Amino acid sequence: GAVVSQHPSWVICKSGTSVKIECRSLDFQATTMFWYRQFPKQSLMLMATSNEGSKATYEQGVEKDKFLINHASLTLSTLTVTSAHPEDSSFYICSAPKAGSNSPLHFGNGTRLTVT
Amino acid sequence: AQSVAQPEDQVNVAEGNPLTVKCTYSVSGNPYLFWYVQYPNRGLQFLLKYITGDNLVKGSYGFEAEFNKSQTSFHLKKPSALVSDSALYFCAVREGITGGGNKLTFGTGTQLKVEL
Repeated sequence: GAVVSQHPSWVICKSGTSVKIECRSLDFQATTMFWYRQFPKQSLMLMATSNEGSKATYEQGVEKDKFLINHASLTLSTLTVTSAHPEDSSFYICSAPKAGSNSPLHFGNGTRLTVT
Repeated sequence: AQSVAQPEDQVNVAEGNPLTVKCTYSVSGNPYLFWYVQYPNRGLQFLLKYITGDNLVKGSYGFEAEFNKSQTSFHLKKPSALVSDSALYFCAVREGITGGGNKLTFGTGTQLKVEL
């Protein structure tokens, strides 16, 4: 069964509004979670690393103020796309390692964001 | 810096035939290698990993991969393809050093199409 739950699976919002995406680890604690963005027919681009109890680490070129990340607990990380614009439309995927540094990442089912 | 190359955007194979999806990597230390599969509008599912040990790694759904250090490759294989194997496959690498965390670098993906 799924070990990482991501919600919502899809969302349509108007330009200028904000959207929050949740990522939960279901049966394990995750001090670290990763947020990816995927464009059509392209690979995953790591946006940021979410750290429980501290600030997220953003990849180069990712706007911190636009993509707000909060790792509120050991099982929940949220990504908020602020003042969304049509170019933010994309597929956003979160992931977390279940146990140990050698464990594979477990991915949520992704969120399809469409900004109109 | 670590990197992954998947030289083929798409691989076509007839059902029942063997399949190979190619992957080469570059890391400065010991590589931790992974294969993931993605179905449309879904997150990634873990297939298999190489950390250490036997060069031939067996994974989910009958897939296997062979680690070749001299060729820096980690090709994904399956002896007999199924139509249901049609999906997008990603190779990923992370450098296996203490404190390296779980930050993965993904290849650009290979679309596998299995036809009757």
